[in-house]
This record gives sequence, structure tokens and C-alpha cells, in this order.
Amino acid sequence: DGGITQSPKYLFRKEGQNVTLSCEQNLNHDAMYWYRQDPGQGLRLIYYSQIVNDFQKGDIAEGYSVSREKKESFPLTVTSAQKNPTAFYLCASRGLAGGREKTQYFGPGTRLLVL
Amino acid sequence: QKEVEQDPGPLSVPEGAIVSLNCTYSNSAFQYFMWYRQYSRKGPELLMYTYSSGNKEDGRFTAQVDKSSKYISLFIRDSQPSDSATYLCAMSPTGGGNKLTFGTGTQLKVEL
Repeated sequence: DGGITQSPKYLFRKEGQNVTLSCEQNLNHDAMYWYRQDPGQGLRLIYYSQIVNDFQKGDIAEGYSVSREKKESFPLTVTSAQKNPTAFYLCASRGLAGGREKTQYFGPGTRLLVL
Repeated sequence: QKEVEQDPGPLSVPEGAIVSLNCTYSNSAFQYFMWYRQYSRKGPELLMYTYSSGNKEDGRFTAQVDKSSKYISLFIRDSQPSDSATYLCAMSPTGGGNKLTFGTGTQLKVEL
């Protein structure tokens, strides 16, 4: 079954702690993305990667870091520098074929809460 | 002013109604338009993907793009309680590429 998996489903962060959200895809997609979703604000792009070992900042990268060591994996670390981390985090991937396949497909999300 | 405006709702309709969901945008460079459906506490699911102006139909769903008015719509015919979700519009100047701009989503409830 092809798709995007995110873990954990729920994550709790203590003050000053770094936490890492997992995103894995078996769609053989080249590009992967991280978004943050807050009520009333839509989805905002944190980071994206078009190829292994390369990634770019999105609109709200401050307080976050990523790595792309494997094509199928794109973990996101929420650092202690992110002062308002409570949100729903969504990972997406995109293939490079034509038409519909060129758009982004989303994982099930991780809800991050601050203790 | 946001690049993409979408009425947040909530929109409540009876089962069987025709639903119209809309987004307006300001960036004339947008060429590709998408509609995603998001159930509560789940990731968005791609419903419709269209390029430039015109209509596209898929089952009970019709996507309409009017680039001259910078206005896109999603119509749902014979709405069902299972259609109750938040609907997000998204758009891009290139083919669904790295810079998708999303609306804030419209919450739809279809009642029995």
C-alpha cells in the first residue's frame, strides 16, 4: 500500500525540549514538504526538499530544522527556539510525473501539544 | 490582504443539497488550482486538480475556474453526510509545485 506515514499521531513537548516528527513515504516521490496548520490560518510551509541532501526554508522556518538523508524520509525537528509550537503538523510529498501526479499528497498529520 | 480568500463557514446544508464552495485570489500568476477535503484531525485529501480556466467534473464534484474574475468554485451535487469536512482550496503558478498557497478552508456540515 503506497502512501505517506507520520508518527507519532500525538506528541507532547516540555519547555526547552527539542522534539522530532517523523515522515516516511513509499511513493517514490522526489519532493517532500512540512506544513503547519493552525485554526483560521490555513497551511503554512515550514521547509521543503526537492532532492536528497538538499532542502529550502519555507515561509515560517524559524525554530524548526529538517534533514533529508534518504529519499523516503524527511524528519522535522521542532527546537526550543520555536516559542509557539502547538499546532497540527502535516507532511506532504510530490512526484514529478505529469498532470495530477505533480501536485502534493498529504500524510495523516501529527498534533503537537506543549505541556 | 491575503493572496487567497476563502469563507470559513461553517456552512450547514440538508442532505441532497447542491453545495457551492468558493475561493478568490489576487495573484494573476496562479495557473493550477486544487481542492482538498480534510476530515477532522486528518490530513488533507486531494479531490480535484485543474489547470487554467474551465470546468472539470468527477462524479458528484465539479471544479470551476474563472481566471478573468480570479474566482474558483467547487460544486458538490447530492451532498451526503459523509461530505461533512473542511474544504481547502490551493493554487500555484506552476504545476502543483513547491509553492502552494492555501485558503483557510470552509467547514461544511451536511445534515440528515
